[in-house]
Amino acid sequence: SQQGEEDPQALSIQEGENATMNCSYKTSINNLQWYRQNSGRGLVHLILIRSNEREKHSGRLRVTLDTSKKSSSLLITASRAADTASYFCATGGTASKLTFGTGTRLQVTL
Amino acid sequence: EAGVAQSPRYKIIEKRQSVAFWCNPISGHATLYWYQQILGQGPKLLIQFQNNGVVDDSQLPKDRFSAERLKGVDSTLKIQPAKLEDSAVYLCASSNLGGNTEAFFGQGTRLTVV
Repeated sequence: SQQGEEDPQALSIQEGENATMNCSYKTSINNLQWYRQNSGRGLVHLILIRSNEREKHSGRLRVTLDTSKKSSSLLITASRAADTASYFCATGGTASKLTFGTGTRLQVTL
Repeated sequence: EAGVAQSPRYKIIEKRQSVAFWCNPISGHATLYWYQQILGQGPKLLIQFQNNGVVDDSQLPKDRFSAERLKGVDSTLKIQPAKLEDSAVYLCASSNLGGNTEAFFGQGTRLTVV
């Protein structure tokens, strides 16, 4: 079963615009992670935010976490064509499992 | 630092045949995961090892799937007999401290069952 659900399922924007995708989850967590997957390839870790953190930045990425609402958002600023990929949130639970959501497919056009 | 190695990259088999996938995690990583990713979906955890012990295999179809991690290093995942619905990418990942740290993924094995 999937722990998280991403919203939207698909997103199409132009280069230079910002992209925001959301993740909702069901159970308590130790941390929430975001991964990127380019077509036909493995997943690459982007950022990890712990349950006692509310916001984290890494380059053009900004992640927020609201544990009261069991939700997180990933913002990619000034998108580039190379950001075209699927993005997944994953929750690190108390049992040390790593459970993935359903993903958002991002298309960045020139 | 070498990444997670998986083989083969691609496999095509007929239904009811058996198949095995191999994974070599990053050196020193205690946690090893096997995920199944069906086209258009998120990765689904099949089994998680901590060293050579199983942490979670609740979503592993144990009537046909088996996995082992000998000596707490390499791991193999086997399907016997395969069904059409097993067509997917099988991803191996490893991490230092389970779900508390980032996981590093291999390139995956794309399995097609015909």
